[in-house]
Amino acid sequence: AQSVTQLDSQVPVFEEAPVELRCNYSSSVSVYLFWYVQYPNQGLQLLLKYLSGSTLVKGINGFEAEFNKSQTSFHLRKPSVHISDTAEYFCAVSPLSGGYQKVTFGTGTKLQVIP
Amino acid sequence: DGGITQSPKYLFRKEGQNVTLSCEQNLNHDAMYWYRQDPGQGLRLIYYSQIVNDFQKGDIAEGYSVSREKKESFPLTVTSAQKNPTAFYLCASSIAGTDTEAFFGQGTRLTVV
Repeated sequence: AQSVTQLDSQVPVFEEAPVELRCNYSSSVSVYLFWYVQYPNQGLQLLLKYLSGSTLVKGINGFEAEFNKSQTSFHLRKPSVHISDTAEYFCAVSPLSGGYQKVTFGTGTKLQVIP
Repeated sequence: DGGITQSPKYLFRKEGQNVTLSCEQNLNHDAMYWYRQDPGQGLRLIYYSQIVNDFQKGDIAEGYSVSREKKESFPLTVTSAQKNPTAFYLCASSIAGTDTEAFFGQGTRLTVV
C-alpha cells in the first residue's frame, strides 16, 4: 500500500516570488513520482515525473522537483511564479509495476498567485 | 489532434435518475480509466479497462457501471444506487502496461438535484 500527503491545501504567493509545494509519500516498494497541474474545470496535465536517475527533475512551465528518498519527499518548486500558475497541483505515486491504475493521488494544493 | 474528449462538460440530473457520461479517445490507447474528484479528496479510481470487452472495479465502484465495447470509448453510467453522485468526473487513457503516464480529458461536472 502507498499513500501521498500534500501538507498544504492552499499556498498564496506574490507574483515573481519563489514557491515550494510539499509532497511526502509512504510506500513499502520503490515508486514513480508525479506532479500534475489542474486549472479550474479542466483535466490534469502532467508537469513532471521521476522514474529513476537524477533526483532533480525538470518539468514544463519552469517547474522542477527533487526526489529525496531518505525523507520520502518530492517537493515541487518554481523560482518565480506568474499569475498563470494559479491552479491546483497534485502529487501522485505509483509502484514500479502494475499499471497506471495503481497510481495514488494526493489531495491537492491550490496555488494562488497574488498580483 | 489526438486526445480525450469528455461530454458533456456540465450535466444536471434529478435524484434517482441514471446518467451516462461519455469518454472518447483517438490516441489508440488500450487502457482507459474513470476517476471521481471531490474537493479536498484528490482523485479516486472508479473503474478501469485495459482491453476491449474487459474492465475492473477501482476503489469506489459502487453505484457506477461501465462498458468497453470499442477501443475508443469508455462510457460511465452513474446509477441511482450511487448515494452522492454530485462530483467532477475525469476520464483518462494510457498505453496498456504503462505505469508512467496517462492523458486526461477535460472532465464532466455532474450535479444531481
